[in-house]
Amino acid sequence: DSGVTQTPKHLITATGQRVTLRCSPRSGDLSVYWYQQSLDQGLQFLIHYYNGEERAKGNILERFSAQQFPDLHSELNLSSLELGDSALYFCASSVGVTENTEAFFGQGTRLTVV
Amino acid sequence: GNSVTQMEGPVTLSEEAFLTINCTYTATGYPSLFWYVQYPGEGLQLLLKATKADDKGSNKGFEATYRKETTSFHLEKGSVQVSDSAVYFCALSGNAGGTSYGKLTFGQGTILTVHP
Repeated sequence: DSGVTQTPKHLITATGQRVTLRCSPRSGDLSVYWYQQSLDQGLQFLIHYYNGEERAKGNILERFSAQQFPDLHSELNLSSLELGDSALYFCASSVGVTENTEAFFGQGTRLTVV
Repeated sequence: GNSVTQMEGPVTLSEEAFLTINCTYTATGYPSLFWYVQYPGEGLQLLLKATKADDKGSNKGFEATYRKETTSFHLEKGSVQVSDSAVYFCALSGNAGGTSYGKLTFGQGTILTVHP
């Protein structure tokens, strides 16, 4: 158990809908990262928050947004869903933002868009 | 930008065989290098890491050496077990000049299957 909790584990929804994925980081971790894992794109970095502030954006679509709350949990919002958004979405957390910091991954949320 | 290239899989081995999974990278600055493992139905777990040139990371019989001259971080294990069957990802972190040093750039992953 990494200590990072993601909910829900599975989500099935229709095209055009909006969903919210939730991540609770390990106790004491200030950084939260979101990644998307798909068969064609592999593991792609989406966005990074540190202590409530956005630090970096990767290949995140404009239809997607995220935030980190004062209690440090984070949510990833996906809207106007398309079939191609079907993927495994991982959250990871770490203590800080240095390159040496180990990131701990949750078990992921599997999103299926039908 | 940063990138990581892993050898194409899948890799199929018999138990007790020697394993090598090649990984090369392109990055600015001095990234840290990682190998993560993903078992079926689970999230990624850190297997080992190296933070500077010539460092050797090791864990559970796996080893990888940070080679700056060849920009490589190949994963090796002398004798694999059936329980090592998983997907292995090479990754680097570092964003010289930026504010998100901790974000990871992953290779495409290598599926390893070990048969008894």
